[in-house]
Parts: sequence; C-alpha cells; structure tokens
Amino acid sequence: DAGVIQSPRHEVTEMGQEVTLRCKPISGHDYLFWYRQTMMRGLELLIYFNNNVPIDDSGMPEDRFSAKMPNASFSTLKIQPSEPRDSAVYFCATDRRNNYGYTFGSGTRLTVV
Amino acid sequence: KQEVTQIPAALSVPEGENLVLNCSFTDSAIYNLQWFRQDPGKGLTSLLLIQSSQREQTSGRLNASLDKSSGRSTLYIAASQPGDSATYLCAVQDNAGNMLTFGGGTRLMVKP
Repeated sequence: DAGVIQSPRHEVTEMGQEVTLRCKPISGHDYLFWYRQTMMRGLELLIYFNNNVPIDDSGMPEDRFSAKMPNASFSTLKIQPSEPRDSAVYFCATDRRNNYGYTFGSGTRLTVV
Repeated sequence: KQEVTQIPAALSVPEGENLVLNCSFTDSAIYNLQWFRQDPGKGLTSLLLIQSSQREQTSGRLNASLDKSSGRSTLYIAASQPGDSATYLCAVQDNAGNMLTFGGGTRLMVKP
C-alpha cells in the first residue's frame, strides 16, 4: 500500500489566487480528515468525511475554504481566494473505524505571498 | 471540548538516558490515544495506539501507558539515541465522533 498520497508537496502562490490541494486515501479507509499545522496553533482539524460525506466542517476557517470528496479515492481542499495567513502545512489523514489509528500523508506546504 | 496538553514543550537530554513524555486530556470519554513522531518538515508517523480498554502498549524501546480515569498518558523512551530527536505528539480520539485532538507536542533533542 502506498499510504496516503498528497499533492503537491509544496505550493507557492500569490495572494488572491485559487489553490487546490489533493489527497488520495488508503483503499478501504472510510474516514478522511484534513488538518492544518502552523507554529502558532499546532494541528487543527478543518473537516472530515465518512464514506465520502462531510460530517464536520466546523474547523473550516471561513467561506474561502471548501472541501470535496467526489469518490472514495480522492479528496480536494480548495482555498479561493488565498491569503498570506493561509500559509501552513496541510495534512490529509485517513482511518478505518476498527481502532488501527490514523495514517497521515506527507503534507502540502503552502506559502501564499 | 477536548483539550490535550503535553509537558514539557521541549526537552534536551544526553544520549543513553531514559525519558518520559507526558500527555494529559480533559475528557476521559475517549476511543483511543495515539502517539506520533514528526521529524522537521515531514509528516506524522504513528508510533503507538492504545485503545481505551488498554493500559499500555510497547514497541521496541517505546512504551506508552494510559490512565483514562485521570486523563493521562506517558510515553517512555528507553536508552535514547540521537535518531530519536523529533517532535512527539499525543492525540486522543473521542467517542462521540471520529475526531482526533492533538496536543502541542514535545520537541525532543538527544545529544550525542
């Protein structure tokens, strides 16, 4: 198994541009989570899905953020328009509800200038 | 709302020492507790998972304990090595949903 695959690994964009982050979960994992990590706030849950359905998006900071999971093998996190304060590392993690624990992707380091 | 705290925030020890990292959480109704390791600029690697019904888990030189009633977990690292230098994160998964709440981490430096 290739694990949780995120792309791109690094993204540098200008303020105001649209950014799309991608995640491919581990096959058979029916939970998918998007986290954001910053020095100031640590790891924060943005949104999570169960069986492709968004369950809790209360962590999404504002309407500029949106996430989709059109099928069991793909999810996107979109920021439009991006702002410098969105600069962070964004992690995708997946889980199956049988107590094996989360598996994290390598993350996308986003820099908005 | 679950809150997870890790103490100390940073720790520097000489190689070979045994050490303990602490994690506390406010809501004892947890599904499990997981310890992760994060190297600089990298993702999170799962080290140990303790189910709510368990008291401890061991993997090599690592031993994690869980006292759910007091809201505490410890990660014990035996005979520390420079390669153990990393940030160690504790996270609890709650019963209500599937959310994982993280502590702020302990940044460990093991000096040769």
